Amino acid sequence: EADIYQTPRYLVIGTGKKITLECSQTMGHDKMYWYQQDPGMELHLIHYSYGVNSTEKGDLSSESTVSRIRTEHFPLTLESARPSHTSQYLCASSRQATEAFFGQGTRLTVV
Amino acid sequence: KNQVEQSPQSLIILEGKNCTLQCNYTVSPFSNLRWYKQDTGRGPVSLTIMTFSENTKSNGRYTATLDADTKQSSLHITASQLSDSASYICVVSDRGSTLGRLYFGRGTQLTVWP
Repeated sequence: EADIYQTPRYLVIGTGKKITLECSQTMGHDKMYWYQQDPGMELHLIHYSYGVNSTEKGDLSSESTVSRIRTEHFPLTLESARPSHTSQYLCASSRQATEAFFGQGTRLTVV
Repeated sequence: KNQVEQSPQSLIILEGKNCTLQCNYTVSPFSNLRWYKQDTGRGPVSLTIMTFSENTKSNGRYTATLDADTKQSSLHITASQLSDSASYICVVSDRGSTLGRLYFGRGTQLTVWP
């Protein structure tokens, strides 16, 4: 069973609020990813990291930011949430050329 | 352009029946292909992973095949159960970068009826 955890699982928040989605893994993986997934649609990569102090933008433009201060922790922050940010956010980690392990996801609703 | 196409988009079958899901890809250079199962509101869980040299791989009632020449893969589910109801996602990884980029299909939404 994969040891990657996301919190919160569900979040309903008002427009303009700052939010941080947490992601932690205990497998010692260097690579970590954030994906955004709308209902019935494919996953889109929004951020990734090769390791500590490494962060890169993904394919899908996102107003969110990430940080990687520790290997096991890869939080995603939205400074000012908007309804267009409503989506499911999935965190994943992997070792090179092996399968990616996903967290349970955070379903974000901005009202 | 690297793409992953899955068919059908959705499928309904009766409990106990078999089904086959399809995945076509154009990702190059190819590294590996994975099938994931994603229950509603949860993260994807890996079912199988195949490299270029592997033609078939099984995981219980799930059997995946890969034809690297035609760039096609299938996932066969035998004796379906109600718990098989989920989205099945085909994911192809390239080896053109250190990251090993993942390209996701949109998934096939499978519903198993009693």
